[in-house]
Amino acid sequence: SQQGEEDPQALSIQEGENATMNCSYKTSINNLQWYRQNSGRGLVHLILIRSNEREKHSGRLRVTLDTSKKSSSLLITASRAADTASYFCATDAFGLIFGAGTRLAVHP
Amino acid sequence: NAGVTQTPKFQVLKTGQSMTLQCAQDMNHEYMSWYRQDPGMGLRLIHYSVGAGITDQGEVPNGYNVSRSTTEDFPLRLLSAAPSQTSVYFCASSYGTGGNQPQHFGDGTRLSIL
Repeated sequence: SQQGEEDPQALSIQEGENATMNCSYKTSINNLQWYRQNSGRGLVHLILIRSNEREKHSGRLRVTLDTSKKSSSLLITASRAADTASYFCATDAFGLIFGAGTRLAVHP
Repeated sequence: NAGVTQTPKFQVLKTGQSMTLQCAQDMNHEYMSWYRQDPGMGLRLIHYSVGAGITDQGEVPNGYNVSRSTTEDFPLRLLSAAPSQTSVYFCASSYGTGGNQPQHFGDGTRLSIL
């Protein structure tokens, strides 16, 4: 069973636009993580946000967490073609429970 | 510093064959895990280990065995391959117990069972 569900499943934008992806989860968490996966590669860690944090930034990335709504969002500002990838949220259990991901396409 | 190394990158098996997927990390991470990724889905946890000599089952352990004799290596064994095990397999490692630390992933093994 998947704990996290990303929305939308796919997103297509132009370079320079912002991209927002959402993640909803079912049970209480201690941490939530976001990962990026380029085609044919392994996942790369982007940000970890703890349950007592509401917002976290890393470069062009901004992650928010609302534990009352059991949801998180990932915002990529000023997107680039190189941001084209699948993005996954993952919540902590005995390992990490991943959602199905959002496929982001950024067109030049 | 190679990170997490998985071998082989590609493999084709016949139903009923057995094989071992190799995973090695050079970061002295205590925690290692195996996931499978099927088309259009996220990763599902197969087995994990919190240290040498300690392994435990994840969400989808049936048909797979693991062992952890050293900190560096965490091989995944398919006992009798079935077409349902066709997937991309990822190994990951981290400090701590996995859920509260960033995971470092290998590039995956693409496995086809005919």
